[in-house]
Amino acid sequence: GENVEQHPSTLSVQEGDSAVIKCTYSDSASNYFPWYKQELGKRPQLIIDIRSNVGEKKDQRIAVTLNKTAKHFSLHITETQPEDSAVYFCAAPRPPSGGSYIPTFGRGTSLIVHP
Amino acid sequence: DAGVIQSPRHEVTEMGQEVTLRCKPISGHDYLFWYRQTMMRGLELLIYFNNNVPIDDSGMPEDRFSAKMPNASFSTLKIQPSEPRDSAVYFCASSSGLAGSSSYNEQFFGPGTRLTVL
Repeated sequence: GENVEQHPSTLSVQEGDSAVIKCTYSDSASNYFPWYKQELGKRPQLIIDIRSNVGEKKDQRIAVTLNKTAKHFSLHITETQPEDSAVYFCAAPRPPSGGSYIPTFGRGTSLIVHP
Repeated sequence: DAGVIQSPRHEVTEMGQEVTLRCKPISGHDYLFWYRQTMMRGLELLIYFNNNVPIDDSGMPEDRFSAKMPNASFSTLKIQPSEPRDSAVYFCASSSGLAGSSSYNEQFFGPGTRLTVL
């Protein structure tokens, strides 16, 4: 079954506001958590990732936080801009099949930033 | 590097026809993934290869779907016969260094193939 849940499915904010997207996972052995951004009609692209040895990572207006105890991680976008409008996917490794961990993606969050 | 290359970018076919999607991964990457994306089901992993060997095909929906990787620079996903419910965007992705417990490197996605089965 699916081991990554992502919320909310849609998020609408005004330009300049902050946006937060949250994912939970089930495998306590997971230790790598990437976030992908997919603009309309384009491919998913990595925007930020975090490993379990840190609790937070920041890159300009984007940050990711990790709570291993609660098994959740979040994407934070501050001072949102219209170009941040896209679908955002989280991912977390799922239990191994054939000896390798393969990321399972969340269902995605459609972020709309209104000018 | 040109990144992951997929062809065709768009495919429109009629139900019952065979469809072949193609992918060239980034040179040096030893993992290749095929995904299907739809509004209803999101991004689904269909199959992945490591060093040209299929490792997990549990995501392949049924026997109509098959995938091959004859060498490190080429993979195909074939649907035969195609059905309208196969209409989706199919992404190929590659990565390097998926080694060890819970270790994972960035996946680089191709531009996708938009398949429409009438």
